[in-house]
Amino acid sequence: KNQVEQSPQSLIILEGKNCTLQCNYTVSPFSNLRWYKQDTGRGPVSLTIMTFSENTKSNGRYTATLDADTKQSSLHITASQLSDSASYICVVSSWMDSSYKLIFGSGTRLLVRP
Amino acid sequence: KAGVTQTPRYLIKTRGQQVTLSCSPISGHRSVSWYQQTPGQGLQFLFEYFSETQRNKGNFPGRFSGRQFSNSRSEMNVSTLELGDSALYLCASRRYGETQYFGPGTRLLVL
Repeated sequence: KNQVEQSPQSLIILEGKNCTLQCNYTVSPFSNLRWYKQDTGRGPVSLTIMTFSENTKSNGRYTATLDADTKQSSLHITASQLSDSASYICVVSSWMDSSYKLIFGSGTRLLVRP
Repeated sequence: KAGVTQTPRYLIKTRGQQVTLSCSPISGHRSVSWYQQTPGQGLQFLFEYFSETQRNKGNFPGRFSGRQFSNSRSEMNVSTLELGDSALYLCASRRYGETQYFGPGTRLLVL
């Protein structure tokens, strides 16, 4: 069964600290993996996208890694800011039946405290 | 370039009523997808339209329907509303095969 599991479910850190969010997937065939940031009451915004051959990609203070062998991805946030408080959603896409299927993780809710 | 827009942003309905939500995709994007997001279930895929044709459908009852117009704008309709339909409904557009861009969502409350 195609699944995307994220951990932890929620996380509280102090401003300025680093943190790492995890995403494990069992999706096959694999096309790409995206990390989205969703602020409360808003739609998700794409942070990074990685294909099978990429194992790391950065977007400012956000760095995503991908291990296609173990089917794991992580999102590392460096020097957290209050504005990083949001839900982070891992999405794996798969090309099957002549169309893209998107499988969403349930998200990690991050709270950055001053 | 303007982003994905959704109307209305907030809506309150009562059980048994029906509701229509609207989504205008980014100019040039022909694919529009709809999602339901609730605290307990996360993002759940409803359906995707491309060139006025439904291409994919999630596991939702027939009360949930949609359509896409020739200008790529899309509407989603929910009939006979239930309390459990209270959620944030998100629309996303893309050029076929590329990253989706989400709208701000319509928050629906069913009383």
